[in-house]
Amino acid sequence: DVKVTQSSRYLVKRTGEKVFLECVQDMDHENMFWYRQDPGLGLRLIYFSYDVKMKEKGDIPEGYSVSREKKERFSLILESASTNQTSMYLCASSARLLGAFFGQGTRLTVV
Amino acid sequence: AQTVTQSQPEMSVQEAETVTLSCTYDTSENNYYLFWYKQPPSRQMILVIRQEAYKQQNATENRFSVNFQKAAKSFSLKISDSQLGDTAMYFCAFLLNRDDKIIFGKGTRLHILP
Repeated sequence: DVKVTQSSRYLVKRTGEKVFLECVQDMDHENMFWYRQDPGLGLRLIYFSYDVKMKEKGDIPEGYSVSREKKERFSLILESASTNQTSMYLCASSARLLGAFFGQGTRLTVV
Repeated sequence: AQTVTQSQPEMSVQEAETVTLSCTYDTSENNYYLFWYKQPPSRQMILVIRQEAYKQQNATENRFSVNFQKAAKSFSLKISDSQLGDTAMYFCAFLLNRDDKIIFGKGTRLHILP
């Protein structure tokens, strides 16, 4: 079974803090994604990576950055957390045409 | 740019009934893949079914089947003999063959009523 693991299920951070969300996959997938999920808006792509050290902006990259130093790990970084970044964050990996496999999600609250 | 539209934000059906969730998409390309994902309450998103655009035959997975109408750019999901465990958010998704980004619709919240 493909396993995608996100480091935290729930996270509470203060405004202005630097926040790291970690994601690890164990299937040697080349592609990894970070999505943000909000009610009524579905899943919106923040960033994706198609190889180590390679990244591409998605639809809503503002306020976020990413890091992929190793194939199995993809980190999402909130440089200075703001309350409008309170959301559910989903990490996924894919072997291209097979579709995406998701982690359990991280519910981030910024206070 | 590719878009995915799910026109039903929320639906409710009685247990054991059949329900169809709608999805339309927009693309000028010919080679792509379509997916339905299920996200149960407070649980992980999982892949339900996958359709390759070049295949005319509709995909099926047990009680789940799709009605893929390529010319109409329509990709609906049919759930037969619905069960309480089918209660979830369902997302339709699209992937171009030449690309890596998976584009999702806004989802349909499905309630199966006892």
